[in-house]
Amino acid sequence: EADIYQTPRYLVIGTGKKITLECSQTMGHDKMYWYQQDPGMELHLIHYSYGVNSTEKGDLSSESTVSRIRTEHFPLTLESARPSHTSQYLCASSDNPGLNSPLHFGNGTRLTVT
Amino acid sequence: DQQVKQNSPSLSVQEGRISILNCDYTNSMFDYFLWYKKYPAEGPTFLISISSIKDKNEDGRFTVFLNKSAKHLSLHIVPSQPGDSAVYFCAASLYGGTSYGKLTFGQGTILTVHP
Repeated sequence: EADIYQTPRYLVIGTGKKITLECSQTMGHDKMYWYQQDPGMELHLIHYSYGVNSTEKGDLSSESTVSRIRTEHFPLTLESARPSHTSQYLCASSDNPGLNSPLHFGNGTRLTVT
Repeated sequence: DQQVKQNSPSLSVQEGRISILNCDYTNSMFDYFLWYKKYPAEGPTFLISISSIKDKNEDGRFTVFLNKSAKHLSLHIVPSQPGDSAVYFCAASLYGGTSYGKLTFGQGTILTVHP
């Protein structure tokens, strides 16, 4: 069972503020991902990393940025939050995505920008 | 352009009966499919997967069927239990290479199992 932690669980913040969503995993997984999900909608990949100092943008364009300085840590930052950023953000990791090693998700951060 | 579709937003089933959740996809290059279950306020949890070289994979009460010609897969839960009540997401991927872990998800189906 992978241990992957996201903080905060819930965040309500005003427009224009800078925020960082934290994601940490204790399994030593090389690959980490950020997905975004609006209520009743599919999850969309916004960022991924295949290892330290490796980050790529996902299929859904996002104004957020990520960094991967340590294997276990994959924070997501919004420099200036807007109401359109209101969503749920889900972090995931995997050692080697495949039939026997699927993505393991954290419990998510529900972000509300007022 | 939504490549993975779950056309039933919700499904209600009696305890002990079979639950059948459906998923359609449009990208014929997908060769790896997964089902995830999600409880409120939690992240998705992996349930079962299937490779395109198979047409069926079974794990306990859960069976996934894949029909490549129809670009359709389904998840069968037998017998259904109240604890199975959750949102179920279908996901698809291109296996290997730079596509590792880049899953394309459906919108989810809310399953409610009544006692």
